[in-house]
Amino acid sequence: EDQVTQSPEALRLQEGESSSLNCSYTVSGLRGLFWYRQDPGKGPEFLFTLYSAGEEKEKERLKATLTKKESFLHITAPKPEDSATYLCAVQMINGGGADGLTFGKGTHLIIQP
Amino acid sequence: NAGVTQTPKFQVLKTGQSMTLQCAQDMNHNSMYWYRQDPGMGLRLIYYSASEGTTDKGEVPNGYNVSRLNKREFSLRLESAAPSQTSVYFCASSFVILGGQPQHFGDGTRLSIL
Repeated sequence: EDQVTQSPEALRLQEGESSSLNCSYTVSGLRGLFWYRQDPGKGPEFLFTLYSAGEEKEKERLKATLTKKESFLHITAPKPEDSATYLCAVQMINGGGADGLTFGKGTHLIIQP
Repeated sequence: NAGVTQTPKFQVLKTGQSMTLQCAQDMNHNSMYWYRQDPGMGLRLIYYSASEGTTDKGEVPNGYNVSRLNKREFSLRLESAAPSQTSVYFCASSFVILGGQPQHFGDGTRLSIL
C-alpha cells in the first residue's frame, strides 16, 4: 500500500535555530512529490514540486530535497512567521484519480521568538 | 485573481439534512478535486473531475455526490448528512496534461453534523 509518513509530528524551535522535516514515502512509481504549507483556518499553500532523486528547490529560508525514499524540508534560520503545518504529498505514475495526491499527516512547526 | 473559491466557509447541519458545497476556480484549470481533512489524518480524496463532463471516485466517496457544472465549477453534495461527515472540506484544481503539476487549494468549508 502506498504510504506517506512525516516526522516529527510536531517541532518547536527557537528563532534562528535551523532544522529539517522528513517525508518518507513508499509508492510504486513517483510522478512528483509536493510540499505545502498550511496556516490555521486556511487551505494548503503550494511550496515546491520535486520530480527525481537528487533534485533540490529553494525558496527564501526553505530548501526541499529528494531521494528515492524520502524528502527533506530544510528550514534555515527560521522566523516566527514560518510557524505553520507543513504537508508532504505524493503523486503516483498511473495512480489514477486524475493525479490525485496522497498526503502525509503533516508536521506542526512552531518558531518561538 | 481569486484562485479557488469555496462557499460556504462554515455550516452546521442536523443528521439527515442535505447540502451542497460549492467550488469555483478562475485559473482555467482542467482538473478539479474534493478532499476532506480530519484531525490526525492526512487529506483524503473524495471525488475528482479530470475534465469538464467527467467525474470519478477517489479514496472515500461513500455518502457524497459531485457535479462538474462547467470548467470553472465543481460541487460536492451530501444527500443525507451523518456525524461521520463532520470535517473540513477542501476543493483544489490543477492543469493536468502529463501529470506532475501542483494542485491549488481553496480555504475550505468547515462542516459540523449534529
